[in-house]
Amino acid sequence: DAGITQSPRHKVTETGTPVTLRCHQTENHRYMYWYRQDPGHGLRLIHYSYGVKDTDKGEVSDGYSVSRSKTEDFLLTLESATSSQTSVYFCAISESREYADNQPQHFGDGTRLSIL
Amino acid sequence: QKEVEQNSGPLSVPEGAIASLNCTYSDRVSQSFFWYRQYSGKSPELIMSIYSNGDKEDGRFTAQLNKASQYVSLLIRDSQPSDSATYLCAVPNQAGTALIFGKGTTLSVSS
Repeated sequence: DAGITQSPRHKVTETGTPVTLRCHQTENHRYMYWYRQDPGHGLRLIHYSYGVKDTDKGEVSDGYSVSRSKTEDFLLTLESATSSQTSVYFCAISESREYADNQPQHFGDGTRLSIL
Repeated sequence: QKEVEQNSGPLSVPEGAIASLNCTYSDRVSQSFFWYRQYSGKSPELIMSIYSNGDKEDGRFTAQLNKASQYVSLLIRDSQPSDSATYLCAVPNQAGTALIFGKGTTLSVSS
């Protein structure tokens, strides 16, 4: 299995509080991604990173920020959590953006976040 | 914005049958296609990738691609109860920076 660790695995918090999710990889892959998965919507890209301190927005980036100060860590922050951000969050990594046959995108185990 | 469409299912097949999962995509320039399997409560796992028209086989799995029809399918032969999962189709987005996923088809294999 690809060396991807997401923390925490589960979190319950209140509306208006800041929340940070962490993705840690041991594969030294350049590309890292944050997705959210919701019933009826599937997996949607929040933000991605193509190197240390290089990040860009995805499809559903409003209300989220990211940081990548080291190759191995990609943080997702909800500045002021809202109930609409209750979801399962997945981190993914890939060695290449070209998605060559031997360089697929691998996923972490996910974080289940509930905002009350 | 590219779109990836899949029937949500559930698709129910008996053990030992062939399960056929279908995916259509909106962008004619897509060059690579991926099938992920996701068990309930787990993360997506890549099971097949395909880049050229035709069939690609890997064990009990066969991916079929028809770029002219913008259609990619996944066949699972000799289906097993352990194949019961949601199958996600994915293509790279227009910028090539990430994957766009379909909403998935839920497969149920009964013993």
